[in-house]
Amino acid sequence: SQQGEEDPQALSIQEGENATMNCSYKTSINNLQWYRQNSGRGLVHLILIRSNEREKHSGRLRVTLDTSKKSSSLLITASRAADTASYFCATDGSGGYNKLIFGAGTRLAVHP
Amino acid sequence: DAGVIQSPRHEVTEMGQEVTLRCKPISGHNSLFWYRQTMMRGLELLIYFNNNVPIDDSGMPEDRFSAKMPNASFSTLKIQPSEPRDSAVYFCASSDLGHPRRDQPQHFGDGTRLSIL
Repeated sequence: SQQGEEDPQALSIQEGENATMNCSYKTSINNLQWYRQNSGRGLVHLILIRSNEREKHSGRLRVTLDTSKKSSSLLITASRAADTASYFCATDGSGGYNKLIFGAGTRLAVHP
Repeated sequence: DAGVIQSPRHEVTEMGQEVTLRCKPISGHNSLFWYRQTMMRGLELLIYFNNNVPIDDSGMPEDRFSAKMPNASFSTLKIQPSEPRDSAVYFCASSDLGHPRRDQPQHFGDGTRLSIL
């Protein structure tokens, strides 16, 4: 079963608006990662946040982590048409190695 | 630098045929993962190799699936015989895990879109 569940499943916004995607997970984690997937391409790593971190920034991306609620959010500020993609959160499972469990993803459409 | 390279990008074949998917990980990475992505089940881990050794194959669906990593720069995923329900996009990913650390990103290839008729 999937560890991470993204919300919403789909999001449609205009260029320049902010996009917020949420991820909930079930078990304790060491880190949580966000990936982007453009249509017909592989996943691309965006950002990793460790369990002892609460917030992390990378360019127009802001990730928060609330381990007490077992949830994370990804904020993309000032969105662009090029941000149109699916976004996945992934948590490290219990395999004892870097085994990632991916959520179902959020499909983001940014309209010019 | 070259990323993870997968071949072929697309494969269409008839059920019962053998299918071989290929992957070249990023040079220097010692961990390799095979995933399958479908609309119904999302992204599923099939098998994980560390230093060319299969560590976790619990995601391999059944005996029709097999994977090998004969050296650090090449891996194959084979399906024999193939069935229509195997249709999916298959991804290979690699990671730099000197020891199984838990904070390294995975680098994905662009996948093989497999259609079994």
